[in-house]
Amino acid sequence: GDSVTQMEGPVTLSEEAFLTINCTYTATGYPSLFWYVQYPGEGLQLLLKATKADDKGSNKGFEATYRKETTSFHLEKGSVQVSDSAVYFCALSNARDDKIIFGKGTRLHILP
Amino acid sequence: GAVVSQHPSRVICKSGTSVKIECRSLDFQATTMFWYRQFPKKSLMLMATSNEGSKATYEQGVEKDKFLINHASLTLSTLTVTSAHPEDSSFYICSACELAGYETQYFGPGTRLLVL
Repeated sequence: GDSVTQMEGPVTLSEEAFLTINCTYTATGYPSLFWYVQYPGEGLQLLLKATKADDKGSNKGFEATYRKETTSFHLEKGSVQVSDSAVYFCALSNARDDKIIFGKGTRLHILP
Repeated sequence: GAVVSQHPSRVICKSGTSVKIECRSLDFQATTMFWYRQFPKKSLMLMATSNEGSKATYEQGVEKDKFLINHASLTLSTLTVTSAHPEDSSFYICSACELAGYETQYFGPGTRLLVL
């Protein structure tokens, strides 16, 4: 079945460091891919998405490119801030049934 | 790892009826549960935050009288879609946070609601 695998955390970085959180997926067809973020004490929020191969989603300095050849959707940010500390979830949704499948989440800690 | 279940996994109902969806944390206590809705071909939308023993906090645009949320215990939250209409057809997902902290969130498998 469809699945999402993302790197385990926690990831700890210093402020202004470069961030990469890896995400790979297994799916039939052409799923839509998402990154969600959960800040402490809050519910999930959509961070960015891409709906077809080679699309790049971007928001708040984060970006991820839909790579069908490597079935990946890695999240990147050039210079992280303390306020980026959160849990990040990679997810896919297959047009076949719209069910959304999440990765297990990666906790990110940014040190000042 | 922690497990969150939802029941039913799929429900079909007639327009005008009410449907209750249960979300349970099976092996941990959850003071906070979240309810999400996924629209076809779109991303997840947070509907409300449910805290045990108090009223749920609804997101802007979500009708609290339409989507009744009850969090009666540390392991159970329910979402009742009242007087359901076809436009309420959707995929509803709950998640639960462990008592120890908000950072760890576990998702239920979702409930597919189809209103005829």
